[in-house]
Amino acid sequence: RKEVEQDPGPFNVPEGATVAFNCTYSNSASQSFFWYRQDCRKEPKLLMSVYSSGNEDGRFTAQLNRASQYISLLIRDSKLSDSATYLCVVNDGSSASKIIFGSGTRLSIRP
Amino acid sequence: EPEVTQTPSHQVTQMGQEVILRCVPISNHLYFYWYRQILGQKVEFLVSFYNNEISEKSEIFDDQFSVERPDGSNFTLKIRSTKLEDSAMYFCARERDRNTGELFFGEGSRLTVL
Repeated sequence: RKEVEQDPGPFNVPEGATVAFNCTYSNSASQSFFWYRQDCRKEPKLLMSVYSSGNEDGRFTAQLNRASQYISLLIRDSKLSDSATYLCVVNDGSSASKIIFGSGTRLSIRP
Repeated sequence: EPEVTQTPSHQVTQMGQEVILRCVPISNHLYFYWYRQILGQKVEFLVSFYNNEISEKSEIFDDQFSVERPDGSNFTLKIRSTKLEDSAMYFCARERDRNTGELFFGEGSRLTVL
């Protein structure tokens, strides 16, 4: 089983739609979780951390389910500018090499 | 404005040549990392650098790779004898706090080995 697994997509949705991505992780000792956004041929940028209680930042909502070892990202009222690849990142806190990136989910928002 | 500045933005080199990629942090941080991303693949950890020493390295970071902080500010990643499979984006990153996972990446250096 891959350490961090994501549906590669692409998800192709109309502007204004709500879209959700899931990510599963294999290490039950993982401590911190993140969503990064990466535009084509650009660097990854931290979008938001994912807290056990769930957290929201504007149109973005992140949830963590430790029992099932998955993380989700919900984007409401999607904008054209949301088109990007969304990377799930999991960290067990022991060392830098244990910050594990998923392969990403591609999202394309159409007008 | 990026947290770290990387140069060059793109380098094309012949197989077997040496390449040096540079990273300049804007603020004075102790923890730095180099990551690699082959086109279409995931971001992979190469090496972490703490307080002027290598803290940890991955199995990708073999004897062909080295890192230095030659002048106390710039960080360099050197690939001694490039191979075709070294073609990738190379990102320098700093972390908000050590081992938190909150990484701030430079804009990357794209390396193309012919």
